[in-house]
Amino acid sequence: DTGVSQDPRHKITKRGQNVTFRCDPISEHNRLYWYRQTLGQGPEFLTYFQNEAQLEKSRLLSDRFSAERPKGSFSTLEIQRTEQGDSAMYLCASSPGQRPYEQYFGPGTRLTVT
Amino acid sequence: GQQVMQIPQYQHVQEGEDFTTYCNSSTTLSNIQWYKQRPGGHPVFLIQLVKSGEVKKQKRLTFQFGEAKKNSSLHITATQTTDVGTYFCAVNDMRFGAGTRLTVKP
Repeated sequence: DTGVSQDPRHKITKRGQNVTFRCDPISEHNRLYWYRQTLGQGPEFLTYFQNEAQLEKSRLLSDRFSAERPKGSFSTLEIQRTEQGDSAMYLCASSPGQRPYEQYFGPGTRLTVT
Repeated sequence: GQQVMQIPQYQHVQEGEDFTTYCNSSTTLSNIQWYKQRPGGHPVFLIQLVKSGEVKKQKRLTFQFGEAKKNSSLHITATQTTDVGTYFCAVNDMRFGAGTRLTVKP
C-alpha cells in the first residue's frame, strides 16, 4: 500500500504526558499537512510543510504543539503536557507540489487523554 | 481568519431523492475543494474548482463555483446508500467547513 500511513493508530495517555505521532506521506508528495478532527467537526488545520520547510502554523495551535519534517519525507507531531482537550483524531495528509493540491489523508491517530 | 460556513449541518433523504450542500465564504476564494468522509473513515478528495462560475460533473455529482467565487455547491442526483457520509468543502487548500452529514434511507 503506497498511501499515507500514520503511527500509532490509537494512543491513550495520561494528562501531562508528552506524545509523538508519525506520518509517512506518499513518497513523491512535497506537501504534508497536519489536522485535528473532533466528532462532528471538519478537519482543523494545524500546520503544513513544503518539503522540509514549515510554511504555516495555525494561530490556534498552542506552543505545546510542534511538528517537524527533517528530511522532507516523514513528519512527526509532538504534543507536550497533554490536556484532556487534546483528545481528538489527528490526521495527516500529503499532496503533490503542484495544483490542484488534492490531499490524500492517512487513517489518523486517535488520541485519548485521561 | 478564513471563515467558511456549510449548510445544512445534517440531511436525511430517502434513497432516490436529490441532495445539495452549500459552502459559503465571506471573502473571495482562490479555489475550493470538496471531500467525502465515510463513517469511521478519512476524508477523500472529490474535486477542485478554480474558475468563477465553474461547473463540474462526476456521474451523479455536480459541483458548482459561484460567479463571485464566494460560494459553492455540491448536488447529488438520485441518492444511493453508497452516498452516505459527511461532505466537506475546503477553501484555499486547507480550511475545512464543518461538513454536511448525509444519511440515506433505503
